[in-house]
Amino acid sequence: AQTVTQSQPEMSVQEAETVTLSCTYDTSESDYYLFWYKQPPSRQMILVIRQEAYKQQNATENRFSVNFQKAAKSFSLKISDSQLGDAAMYFCAYRSAFGNEKLTFGTGTRLTIIP
Amino acid sequence: DARVTQTPRHKVTEMGQEVTMRCQPILGHNTVFWYRQTMMQGLELLAYFRNRAPLDDSGMPKDRFSAEMPDATLATLKIQPSEPRDSAVYFCASGPDQLYTGELFFGEGSRLTVL
Repeated sequence: AQTVTQSQPEMSVQEAETVTLSCTYDTSESDYYLFWYKQPPSRQMILVIRQEAYKQQNATENRFSVNFQKAAKSFSLKISDSQLGDAAMYFCAYRSAFGNEKLTFGTGTRLTIIP
Repeated sequence: DARVTQTPRHKVTEMGQEVTMRCQPILGHNTVFWYRQTMMQGLELLAYFRNRAPLDDSGMPKDRFSAEMPDATLATLKIQPSEPRDSAVYFCASGPDQLYTGELFFGEGSRLTVL
């Protein structure tokens, strides 16, 4: 079974600075998807960014980018120019490319933005 | 703007009562998932449907929980009888039958409190 580990329960960053959230996963599969979801206090789960395992290029979405290291099974999220609206829980998630389509989530990292 | 719709948003009930939560997946999506979120356990998969057929309900307590899809526009999660330990936020998510995207779309969740 796949597992996802987020070792940082809480992180904080000064507004306008850069922060990196860590995620590691364990799988024996070669093809899969990885995601970062954001959950603000409204509790809506919002997709931030996704990465297909077969792509070597790291995904980027505006101020959000990932560092995907397939061999190390690492998938970190970098948030540049942090904004107050980035304050939320961030969940790393894994999904197999075949078979069971469920998302397996990490335990989350609570990100606080310091004005 | 297509979205997953869940009702109710909040529910407070007495122990022993029946609780039904409803979900309308995004039109055209043929996979539907029920997740439960608690502080202790994080996000757990309860049930998963593909084309209305249940594929994985291994995470669901069978003695009191049941999940169904009466039709393609409605998924239900029922708890009977409810217990205080069922207090949690219950999320419904849906996904298109397009494995290359991998993304799931979440509803706003139903917060259940069992007294």
